[in-house]
Amino acid sequence: EVQLVESGGDLVLPGGSLRLSCADSGFSISSYYINWVRQAPGKGLEWVASFSGISGTLYYADSVKGRFTLSRDSGRNSLFLQMNGLRAEDTGVYYCARGVGLRYFDFWGQGTLVTVSS
Amino acid sequence: QSALTQPVSVSGSPGQSITVSCTGTSSDVGAYNYVSWYQQYPGKAPKLIIYDVINRPSGVSHRFSASKSGNTASLTISWLQADDEAEYYCSSYTSSSSLVFGGGTKLTVL
Repeated sequence: EVQLVESGGDLVLPGGSLRLSCADSGFSISSYYINWVRQAPGKGLEWVASFSGISGTLYYADSVKGRFTLSRDSGRNSLFLQMNGLRAEDTGVYYCARGVGLRYFDFWGQGTLVTVSS
Repeated sequence: QSALTQPVSVSGSPGQSITVSCTGTSSDVGAYNYVSWYQQYPGKAPKLIIYDVINRPSGVSHRFSASKSGNTASLTISWLQADDEAEYYCSSYTSSSSLVFGGGTKLTVL
């Protein structure tokens, strides 16, 4: 069974840092992408970043480039999203999703809440 | 990358059909057959209902269908049911090697 479980969401001050984790199981990462998608309160979905399990290539949305960094721990089947320089507009639920390339996301985690506020 | 354009809301009565449009550009929707649609209930994670413009994942009702013409994709839900009431999002791969979502459409079943 494919599963994705996010963790690490918290309340953080503007300018602060946070690391989110996405633990995946039930499939081989070497055939898929792992992606982060966020949703601000009452707003729509926004693609944040992606890791290609096929090539190791990393992709970032312009809104987070230079502030957010993806890394992968293959031994723990986990993808991490290091978020630095956090802003109020980064507030939202962060979902981890399995992707078939960047074509579509077929399995999603339940999300973890990030709140950036003083 | 600007969000794809969707109507804010649509509505229909049980048994009717509705269509949600999703308009992009020649750099995303118009350039690739990589449009997908997601259904999201309040407080829940999105669920994939259409991928690669027209394909339904296993387990998704045949009442959901989709198409694309030029820079605009469309999702049609036939024989509306009460539990179709949800938010619907389109997305597309882009020429910048990124993914862009639509703003979302709230479907109300009257």
